Amino acid sequence: DAGITQSPRHKVTETGTPVTLRCHQTENHRYMYWYRQDPGHGLRLIHYSYGVKDTDKGEVSDGYSVSRSKTEDFLLTLESATSSQTSVYFCAISESVTRNNQPQHFGDGTRLSIL
Amino acid sequence: EDKVVQSPLSLVVHEGDTVTLNCSYEVTNFRSLLWYKQEKKAPTFLFMLTSSGIEKKSGRLSSILDKKELSSILNITATQTGDSAIYLCAVDATGNQFYFGTGTSLTVIP
Repeated sequence: DAGITQSPRHKVTETGTPVTLRCHQTENHRYMYWYRQDPGHGLRLIHYSYGVKDTDKGEVSDGYSVSRSKTEDFLLTLESATSSQTSVYFCAISESVTRNNQPQHFGDGTRLSIL
Repeated sequence: EDKVVQSPLSLVVHEGDTVTLNCSYEVTNFRSLLWYKQEKKAPTFLFMLTSSGIEKKSGRLSSILDKKELSSILNITATQTGDSAIYLCAVDATGNQFYFGTGTSLTVIP
């Protein structure tokens, strides 16, 4: 299995509070991604990173920010959580997408509930 | 707008049956199509299909890409209860972003 660790695995918080999810990889892969998975929508890309301090938005980026200060860590922050952000969040990594068509490998997910 | 559609949404079969899962896509710059299996946790990679590799096989699972029809199928022969999962199809359309379908939920009854 790819060395991807997501933390926390579960979190319950209240509307309006800030939340940070962490993704840590030991594979030294260049690309890292954050997805959310909701019934009826499948996996949707929130943000991705193509290197340290290099990030870009995905299709559902509103209300989320990311940071990548080290190759191994990719943080997802909900500045002020809303109930619509209740979801399962997955981190994924990929070695090289543009050159070698490498697949993504996923972490085990973080189940986030916002009350 | 890029999109990926999977069918059927769910499927219930008996052990030993053969199943075919479908994935169709509309993307502006197709690079590859991927199949994943998701049980309780992380999606796990099954196959990647590209213009240079339109057919893949691993044991009882096989997949074909039809670039003319903008679709792919995933076949599972002699199904087992361990095949019960959600099967996800994803398309790499830009080299940096993957678009996922909503998945097909497969249940294999003993």
